[in-house]
Amino acid sequence: EVQLVESGGGLVQPGRSLRLSCAASGFKFDDYIMHWVRQAPGKGLEWVSGMSWNSGSIGYADSVKGRFTISRDSAKNSLYLQMNSLRAEDTALYYCAKDSPMVRGVQDVWGKGTTVTVSS
Amino acid sequence: EIVLTQSPATLSLSPGERATLSCRASRSVSSYLAWYQQKPGQAPRLLIYDTSNRATGIPARFSGSGSGTDFTLTISSLEPEDFAVYYCQQRSNWPITFGQGTKVEIK
Repeated sequence: EVQLVESGGGLVQPGRSLRLSCAASGFKFDDYIMHWVRQAPGKGLEWVSGMSWNSGSIGYADSVKGRFTISRDSAKNSLYLQMNSLRAEDTALYYCAKDSPMVRGVQDVWGKGTTVTVSS
Repeated sequence: EIVLTQSPATLSLSPGERATLSCRASRSVSSYLAWYQQKPGQAPRLLIYDTSNRATGIPARFSGSGSGTDFTLTISSLEPEDFAVYYCQQRSNWPITFGQGTKVEIK
């Protein structure tokens, strides 16, 4: 069974850092671009970042560029999001998602998400 | 970045009725437009990719059309489980972007 499990969320003060993790199983991790997508409370979906296995494709939303860094570890089948200089507007449920095998850039499997709250 | 604008924000319909949701892009995304469904407390679910291709397991009552900047998701006859929020998404250019969503609610 294809599964994505996020972890690492929590309550953090503005300006501090947090690292999210996503453990992948049930598929060949290196074959897929992986993404982070977030959803602020009561709001819509916002793509945060995506990365191919070899960093050949890597991108960020303008809202996080320069503050967030995506990475992945093939040996651990894991995706990460290092979040620095956190702001109140980064408060959201953060989903990990994998690309569809049919098309690149469309996400067919999602985790349940991990909640990040930025507040003093 | 490409901005996607969905309309209407809310669609109030009864089971059995036809739903027509719109998504307009700020510039052409060719056919690289997808639709997702999200129910409360759940992760999004891929419905349609590249304008008109249904994802695995998606019922035939869901269909997509359009090209360039104007796209439509049609649900031919609403089932009780179809009442949810629907998002469009473009993959034509990174950053990938989503529309703000259309809520389909029971009238």
